[in-house]
Amino acid sequence: EAGVAQSPRYKIIEKRQSVAFWCNPISGHATLYWYQQILGQGPKLLIQFQNNGVVDDSQLPKDRFSAERLKGVDSTLKIQPAKLEDSAVYLCASSPQGVWTGEQYFGPGTRLTVT
Amino acid sequence: AQTVTQSQPEMSVQEAETVTLSCTYDTSESDYYLFWYKQPPSRQMILVIRQEAYKQQNATENRFSVNFQKAAKSFSLKISDSQLGDAAMYFCAYRSGLIQGAQKLVFGQGTRLTINP
Repeated sequence: EAGVAQSPRYKIIEKRQSVAFWCNPISGHATLYWYQQILGQGPKLLIQFQNNGVVDDSQLPKDRFSAERLKGVDSTLKIQPAKLEDSAVYLCASSPQGVWTGEQYFGPGTRLTVT
Repeated sequence: AQTVTQSQPEMSVQEAETVTLSCTYDTSESDYYLFWYKQPPSRQMILVIRQEAYKQQNATENRFSVNFQKAAKSFSLKISDSQLGDAAMYFCAYRSGLIQGAQKLVFGQGTRLTINP
């Protein structure tokens, strides 16, 4: 079974530029999550999708961050314009729907550096 | 809102010894899951062990076991016979028991574990 795929793995941009990250979850997983992990901290949820609908985006900075999950499969997270404090690892995770063990499966992450 | 606290930023242990990582959490829910995730340097996060709150028996996975104290809201991880490959950041995480709706993981700050040969 293929795991959660993310691209790119690394990205360096200047502040005020825009950037997009892509995630493809495990096949059949209805729920998709984007987390932000700042260096030295635990991951923090940005947004949760159930199929192609948003369940929780309460911690997403909506003035600059946007995310979509068209067709309920892969997802894109965009930052426009980027700030220095957006430097972090962006983790995508997925989980199946229904009664399950609660585990989320993580991708390798995209490390963003904003200069 | 739920919170997770890991009070040990760094821990070290000799190879083959036993180490315990601490985690406390705060919640008003009665049904939830607790997890320990491992994040090796520049590698992806993987699940080490999980515990369902309704289960009184502590979870065990090979060399990894937990001490789950529901009343005290404590969830520590014990690693026995430590190996060099155990070196990583370890995160304690909480998830609501809801089947539908918001199901985010709430993470602690992490504990960096070093294994000394």
